[in-house]
Amino acid sequence: GENVEQHPSTLSVQEGDSAVIKCTYSDSASNYFPWYKQELGKRPQLIIDIRSNVGEKKDQRIAVTLNKTAKHFSLHITETQPEDSAVYFCAASPVSGSARQLTFGSGTQLTVLP
Amino acid sequence: SQTIHQWPATLVQPVGSPLSLECTVEGTSNPNLYWYRQAAGRGLQLLFYSVGIGQISSEVPQNLSASRPQDRQFILSSKKLLLSDSGFYLCAWSVRHETQYFGPGTRLLVL
Repeated sequence: GENVEQHPSTLSVQEGDSAVIKCTYSDSASNYFPWYKQELGKRPQLIIDIRSNVGEKKDQRIAVTLNKTAKHFSLHITETQPEDSAVYFCAASPVSGSARQLTFGSGTQLTVLP
Repeated sequence: SQTIHQWPATLVQPVGSPLSLECTVEGTSNPNLYWYRQAAGRGLQLLFYSVGIGQISSEVPQNLSASRPQDRQFILSSKKLLLSDSGFYLCAWSVRHETQYFGPGTRLLVL
C-alpha cells in the first residue's frame, strides 16, 4: 500500500516569511495529492490539491509542486500570517474503483510568530 | 450546498461498553462515505469506506465495524470498546473519487 512521509513535524516562521512543507510517497500509481489544514479541535479542511497531470498549482498565497519522478510534493505558503498557524497534512491516493483511499502524512505543526 | 453532520460531538464511555457513532450527509446523492480515526497529535487513519448502501470496505482490522443503512447515513459501531479506541473520529464524503470533505468529528474517550 501507499506510504506518505511528511517533514518537518514542526515549523516556526516569522510573520511575513515563507513556509515549506515536504511530503514523499511510495506508490507510483498515486495520482491525487491534497493538502488539509486543521486548526486545534476542528475538522481538517482542504486548502489545495494537485493531480499528477500538473506540476504546480497556485491559489493566492498557497502553492503546491509535484515531482512525479522523485515521488515528492511540497506545500508553499508565502507572506505567512498568524492565522496560518495550524497543523497541515498531506495525503496521496491512487484511483481504486470509484473511491479514493487517502493515505495521510503525520502532519506539520506550523506556528507563525508575530 | 452539501452539509455533513456527526453526533455525538463528544462521548465518554467505559471499557467494554458498546459504541454507535452516526454520520449523515445532506445535499447530495450517492456519496462515497469514509470513517477516519485521529489519535491525539497524530495523522488520520482510514478505517472504512462505502461507495453505496450496504457496501463497506475495511482498511484496518479491529474491533470496529461500519454500516450504511441509507444512502446518506454511515454508522460506526463497536460491541466492546478498548482503551485504544479513544480518539477523534471523522466522517468524510466525496462525489466518487473526487475531493473528500470532513464532518465536525466525534471525540471519544474510553476510560
